[in-house]
Amino acid sequence: KAGVTQTPRYLIKTRGQQVTLSCSPISGHRSVSWYQQTPGQGLQFLFEYFSETQRNKGNFPGRFSGRQFSNSRSEMNVSTLELGDSALYLCASSGLQGGETQYFGPGTRLLVL
Amino acid sequence: GENVEQHPSTLSVQEGDSAVIKCTYSDSASNYFPWYKQELGKRPQLIIDIRSNVGEKKDQRIAVTLNKTAKHFSLHITETQPEDSAVYFCAALFGNEKLTFGTGTRLTIIP
Repeated sequence: KAGVTQTPRYLIKTRGQQVTLSCSPISGHRSVSWYQQTPGQGLQFLFEYFSETQRNKGNFPGRFSGRQFSNSRSEMNVSTLELGDSALYLCASSGLQGGETQYFGPGTRLLVL
Repeated sequence: GENVEQHPSTLSVQEGDSAVIKCTYSDSASNYFPWYKQELGKRPQLIIDIRSNVGEKKDQRIAVTLNKTAKHFSLHITETQPEDSAVYFCAALFGNEKLTFGTGTRLTIIP
């Protein structure tokens, strides 16, 4: 099976802009989670989608949003970008039920200038 | 709230020696505890996981132990090798499928 893919891999934006990142899960996986990784903060949970519904949400401002499509592909959007949003954004997919192994994509490295 | 604490944040070990990383979690209902290894510039990859119905699991040079009463679990790497150098993250599954990660341990193997 093909692994989790993310596009784009690298992105440079300026403050105030918005950005949309995409994640394609492993075929058959219905859960997609998003994480923000920064050197000082480790892996911070953003949100998780399962069957097109947001099932869990982390402690991020409303500028961070996401959605999931019927084919389980997911997008996350960040509006009104701030310098502090510069990070590696990782998505991970897992299978049908709880407690399944999460498989990570390669990430999208976002730089906000 | 959901919380996972991980220690130490950095660890240097002589090649061939053992390394131990410890994590504690806040929710006694957690029942799934994976460990991920992230090499520089790469994605986190699962190396071992344990569920709450077992106390220990081994896979070659790595092992994980779980103490549900004390709400802590540990990663043990024996006979360390240079390729073990990486950042290791523990995690615990809380409530409705929310995986919370520890802050990571940067492990350096000294040749």
